[in-house]
Amino acid sequence: KAGVTQTPRYLIKTRGQQVTLSCSPISGHRSVSWYQQTPGQGLQFLFEYFSETQRNKGNFPGRFSGRQFSNSRSEMNVSTLELGDSALYLCASLDSGSAGTQYFGPGTRLTVL
Amino acid sequence: QKEVEQNSGPLSVPEGAIASLNCTYSDRGSQSFFWYRQYSGKSPELIMSIYSNGDKEDGRFTAQLNKASQYVSLLIRDSQPSDSATYLCAVQESGGSNYKLTFGKGTLLTVNP
Repeated sequence: KAGVTQTPRYLIKTRGQQVTLSCSPISGHRSVSWYQQTPGQGLQFLFEYFSETQRNKGNFPGRFSGRQFSNSRSEMNVSTLELGDSALYLCASLDSGSAGTQYFGPGTRLTVL
Repeated sequence: QKEVEQNSGPLSVPEGAIASLNCTYSDRGSQSFFWYRQYSGKSPELIMSIYSNGDKEDGRFTAQLNKASQYVSLLIRDSQPSDSATYLCAVQESGGSNYKLTFGKGTLLTVNP
């Protein structure tokens, strides 16, 4: 099976812009979670989608949003970018048949200037 | 605030030695526990999952879980320089369809040839 894919791999934006990141889970996995990783805060949960519905949400401002499509692909959007949004954004594909084991994609490195 | 604590390291061991990585968690109801390995500049890679008290072995890796003490550990036997990475402990919150992972900040392991 192909692994989790994320596009783009690298992005450079300026403050105030918005960005959309994409994730395709492992074939057959219906749940996708998004995480933000920064040197200071580590890995933090953003949200999880299952069957096109947001099932869980972390403690991030409303500028961070996401959605999931019928083919399980997911996108996350960050509006009005701030310098502090510079991070590695990771998508995880969840195997609900294996007690929720999560497999990470390669990530999108976002730099906000 | 549910927390996962790890020694940040760095933990330095000679090649061939046993590396011992530890993790404590605050949510007594947590049910699923994971160890991920993350090489510099890469995304986390799943090494082990453990759900029941006791030991679980997979090759050179052994995960240990003690729910009464809220403690998880990872032992790496016959450590190799290729094991040098940051090891992340992740705890899955309890309850129904909540698959959110809470991560520790990670322990940096260096295996010296």
